[in-house]
Amino acid sequence: GAGVSQSPSNKVTEKGKDVELRCDPISGHTALYWYRQSLGQGLEFLIYFQGNSAPDKSGLPSDRFSAERTGGSVSTLTIQRTQQEDSAVYLCASSLGLAENTGELFFGEGSRLTVL
Amino acid sequence: AQTVTQSQPEMSVQEAETVTLSCTYDTSENNYYLFWYKQPPSRQMILVIRQEAYKQQNATENRFSVNFQKAAKSFSLKISDSQLGDTAMYFCAFSYMYSGGGADGLTFGKGTHLIIQP
Repeated sequence: GAGVSQSPSNKVTEKGKDVELRCDPISGHTALYWYRQSLGQGLEFLIYFQGNSAPDKSGLPSDRFSAERTGGSVSTLTIQRTQQEDSAVYLCASSLGLAENTGELFFGEGSRLTVL
Repeated sequence: AQTVTQSQPEMSVQEAETVTLSCTYDTSENNYYLFWYKQPPSRQMILVIRQEAYKQQNATENRFSVNFQKAAKSFSLKISDSQLGDTAMYFCAFSYMYSGGGADGLTFGKGTHLIIQP
C-alpha cells in the first residue's frame, strides 16, 4: 500500500481479554517496528522485525505481549489478559532494509487501546 | 546506549511567530542521524527534517530548519512563520548510521507539545 496501515484504529476491551493489533507495512520495507505511546509520553520500543532474521523482542514489557510477522509483511501484536496499564496508542512503523536504511521510519496512525 | 532529551514539555506561540524547540542527545559515536518528527492530533508521525552528523551544513525544509551543534550534542528545530497546522507533538530522535535496527535503532525524546495560537 501507499502507507503503513494499522487496524483497528480504536479498541476498547475489558480487563483480562486478549487483543490483536494489526500492521500492514509499506510494500518492500523489510524492517518493521512496534512502539507503545502512553498518554503524553514518548515512544517506547516494543519489538523489531528485519527480514527473515529473529525478531528483537527486548522491548516487550511482559510475556503477555507477543508479535509475529507472516511472510515478511503483515504483523500482528497480541496482548493477552489485558491490564489497565496496557491502555496506550500502539504505533507500527516500517523502513527500508539495512543496506538502504537512511534511518527514517514511516509510521501508521496507530491503534488506541483502552482497557476498562 | 544513547539518550535524547527534550527539556520543553509544552510551548505556545502566536501564529506567524518563530519558535525554537530544543533537543540534546548523548552518544559516543561519530556517525549518526538526527530527526525531528511531528505528531498531529491524527496520531500519525511524520518526518519533518533529518540531519546526517557528518554534514556541517544545517538541514532546512521550507519553514523548518535545524541548528546542529555536534560538539555540544545539540539539535534544535526552528519553525519560521508558524501556522495553526504546526500545532502538534514534536519528537527529536537519534539513530546510529550503521544501526542494526531494533532497540539500537531510533531513540526518541519525550516530545514537546507545540501550540500555535491564532
